[in-house]
Amino acid sequence: DGGITQSPKYLFRKEGQNVTLSCEQNLNHDAMYWYRQDPGQGLRLIYYSQIVNDFQKGDIAEGYSVSREKKESFPLTVTSAQKNPTAFYLCATRRSQGSGNTIYFGEGSWLTVV
Amino acid sequence: KNQVEQSPQSLIILEGKNCTLQCNYTVSPFSNLRWYKQDTGRGPVSLTIMTFSENTKSNGRYTATLDADTKQSSLHITASQLSDSASYICVVSAVDSNYQLIWGAGTKLIIKP
Repeated sequence: DGGITQSPKYLFRKEGQNVTLSCEQNLNHDAMYWYRQDPGQGLRLIYYSQIVNDFQKGDIAEGYSVSREKKESFPLTVTSAQKNPTAFYLCATRRSQGSGNTIYFGEGSWLTVV
Repeated sequence: KNQVEQSPQSLIILEGKNCTLQCNYTVSPFSNLRWYKQDTGRGPVSLTIMTFSENTKSNGRYTATLDADTKQSSLHITASQLSDSASYICVVSAVDSNYQLIWGAGTKLIIKP
């Protein structure tokens, strides 16, 4: 089955812990994105990557880190420096960075701080 | 500042009725506008994408319109079904080096039987 796989679907983090959200795609898309969604707000861009071994900060990168060692994978680490990490996290891909290309989303990961 | 505003924030209609959702934007220079449907707890799914020269685009019972002069778009849903209950998000692309997307907060639509 093709597409974007995010895991885990639900994750609980203790304060002070780092956690990593996985995003894997088999669409052969170049660009990958991480968004955060809070209730009543639009999606906010955390990080994006246009090609392997390259990534850029989005609007709310503080407290997050990413890597892009393989085209298929773009994991997001939520560090202890992120003070309010409870949110719904969405990974997305796009065939290339051209503005007309459709963006595809994974099913999302819910992160809760306990 | 590039912004996308959607209205209403939420809407409840009866099954079978039509409805129209609004999107106003101040993004410049404009590249394209997309409408997404997002079921609760799921990732958004693309409904339509419209460029500057397109006024109307349909996808089944969904019809999007774009007025680039007034910087307004609407999404019209015909003969609503219970499965239409979702959030509908308007997204605008600016023409810049990174083709960043500006997301609206969405309209939460509830269809009642």
